[in-house]
Amino acid sequence: EAQVTQNPRYLITVTGKKLTVTCSQNMNHEYMSWYRQDPGLGLRQIYYSMNVEVTDKGDVPEGYKVSRKEKRNFPLILESPSPNQTSLYFCASSWSSEYEQYFGPGTRLTVT
Amino acid sequence: GESVGLHLPTLSVQEGDNSIINCAYSNSASDYFIWYKQESGKGPQFIIDIRSNMDKRQGQRVTVLLNKTVKHLSLQIAATQPGDSAVYFCAEARNTGNQFYFGTGTSLTVIP
Repeated sequence: EAQVTQNPRYLITVTGKKLTVTCSQNMNHEYMSWYRQDPGLGLRQIYYSMNVEVTDKGDVPEGYKVSRKEKRNFPLILESPSPNQTSLYFCASSWSSEYEQYFGPGTRLTVT
Repeated sequence: GESVGLHLPTLSVQEGDNSIINCAYSNSASDYFIWYKQESGKGPQFIIDIRSNMDKRQGQRVTVLLNKTVKHLSLQIAATQPGDSAVYFCAEARNTGNQFYFGTGTSLTVIP
């Protein structure tokens, strides 16, 4: 089944404790992206990747890192999480940026 | 600043009626627009897209209209069904299509 998977689905952590949210797709997509969704603000793009080893900042990259060492994986790294990073995070992938994106199920992150 | 917005945050329609969801965008250089549907607890799901060289595109029960003169996008859903109840987002591709900006969403409720 074609899909985008994210892990973990739910995470509660404390300020400053490094964490990684994994994202994997099995559709051989070149374009991958991370979004955060907050009430009243819709989805905002954090980082995107056009292909392996090619990443770029989205609209709200501060406090996040990403890597794209393999085509299928695009992890989101929070080196020192803060409470303002409490949010619902979505990973998405597509053949290219000019095609529809397939979204993962989301990761609910709470930073206390 | 630039934004992708929606005229109405909520919309209620009777089952069987047609629904129209509107979206305004401000970047005249954007050339790719997408509508997504998000059901409760799930990631956004692609509905239909349109490129700036088109004014109208139709899918199954859905039509997207693009008015570049007034920078307006709309999604029309024909014969709305209870399963159409969800939040609908428009998205706009900028930065040569690599970066996406989402609207804040319209919550559609279908009344049986």
